[in-house]
Amino acid sequence: QVQLVQSGAEVKKPGASVKVSCKVSGYTLTELSMHWVRQAPGKGLEWMGGFDPEDGETIYAQKFQGRVTMTEDTSTDTAYMELSSLRSEDTAVYYCATGNGVQFDYWGQGTLVTVSS
Amino acid sequence: QSALTQPASVSGSPGQSITISCTGTSSDVGGYNYVSWYQQHPGKAPKLMIYEVSNRPSGVPDRFSGSKSGNTASLTISGLQAEDEADYYCSSYTSSSTVVFGGGTKLTVL
Repeated sequence: QVQLVQSGAEVKKPGASVKVSCKVSGYTLTELSMHWVRQAPGKGLEWMGGFDPEDGETIYAQKFQGRVTMTEDTSTDTAYMELSSLRSEDTAVYYCATGNGVQFDYWGQGTLVTVSS
Repeated sequence: QSALTQPASVSGSPGQSITISCTGTSSDVGGYNYVSWYQQHPGKAPKLMIYEVSNRPSGVPDRFSGSKSGNTASLTISGLQAEDEADYYCSSYTSSSTVVFGGGTKLTVL
């Protein structure tokens, strides 16, 4: 059984960056395809990007390209999502999620990122 | 990539059946059998209910079923129960190797 435990809530100022972590247990990170999904307050789910096992690369949603970086530390089985140039519209709960890359069987508990001056 | 189209809300009485639609294009829903459905209760993380159009993960009641016709996928919940009241989201793999979600549907059990 995969368990994903995310880092705690963050408050950032506009223009800053945030880095959210997602610790994996039950499996090793190399066995998984990790993705990131966000949800603004009262809004729907939005896919940000994730690892494509077909070509071994990370794919980002066009909306976030140039602003988001997803990395992995296989020595600690921890995935990271860093979002830069934050603006108020980036206030959301950020989830890590994993499955086979086209469906997400396991989700982290979510990390609230608040962007406010 | 535009979000898949779902009705904003649906409702039904306990014991009844409801269906939630999810409309995309030939580049996503219509092009692949990689449609998933997620249930989300307030303040909780989403839960996978259906994958690959019509498959249920272990532990999901058989009251939940999925189907697809052309560019539209559907989630049907039969024998509605109070605990089914939640938000439901569809998602699909796309021709750009990305994933797109629907806007979400709020299910109210009357």
